[in-house]
Amino acid sequence: DAEITQSPRHKITETGRQVTLACHQTWNHNNMFWYRQDLGHGLRLIHYSYGVQDTNKGEVSDGYSVSRSNTEDLPLTLESAASSQTSVYFCASSGGNGGADTQYFGPGTRLTVL
Amino acid sequence: AQKVTQAQTEISVVEKEDVTLDCVYETRDTTYYLFWYKQPPSGELVFLIRRNSFDEQNEISGRYSWNFQKSTSSFNFTITASQVVDSAVYFCALSEVVTGNQFYFGTGTSLTVIP
Repeated sequence: DAEITQSPRHKITETGRQVTLACHQTWNHNNMFWYRQDLGHGLRLIHYSYGVQDTNKGEVSDGYSVSRSNTEDLPLTLESAASSQTSVYFCASSGGNGGADTQYFGPGTRLTVL
Repeated sequence: AQKVTQAQTEISVVEKEDVTLDCVYETRDTTYYLFWYKQPPSGELVFLIRRNSFDEQNEISGRYSWNFQKSTSSFNFTITASQVVDSAVYFCALSEVVTGNQFYFGTGTSLTVIP
């Protein structure tokens, strides 16, 4: 069955370190998204991609970067982790063009920055 | 400004009661999509429903029903005869064509069903 996976599921890191969270989908979806979930804020969009080599900034993109070299993967990099980036991170993907289709989510990665 | 408002932060009901979760959205677009997702205590996000702005028919799926009213910019979700397994955080989301179909999520409503 097609799925979307994230790794690691839990990560503890130190302030200032570079961290990369992996997202892999086997739906063959064009569109992929990264969100962070914080209490009182719901899910907020960090970055998104509508296809290979396409990346776009979302609402809370500062301190994060992504790259899309193939259809299946959209890794999220925290260049220099900060305590404010402690959160639960969700990756999602959708088919169709431009992202109007339903987004299907991965299981999430809980990141703690000490 | 918040594009999706879920004013109910937490709701508790006794099992078998009906409960309605409110969702109010804001958009100037004529073409948009509305979604509901469920996040059970295990943490994953489960898709429940997608509606487009041109389809105002209410929808029923088992114990779940959705009331879409463009006149009041609302897309409310009702659970009939609630069960303990319905305990979760529920998110409403809006996707607009004019903003490239980005999803805007509400802050969620935490539902607890008491046995």
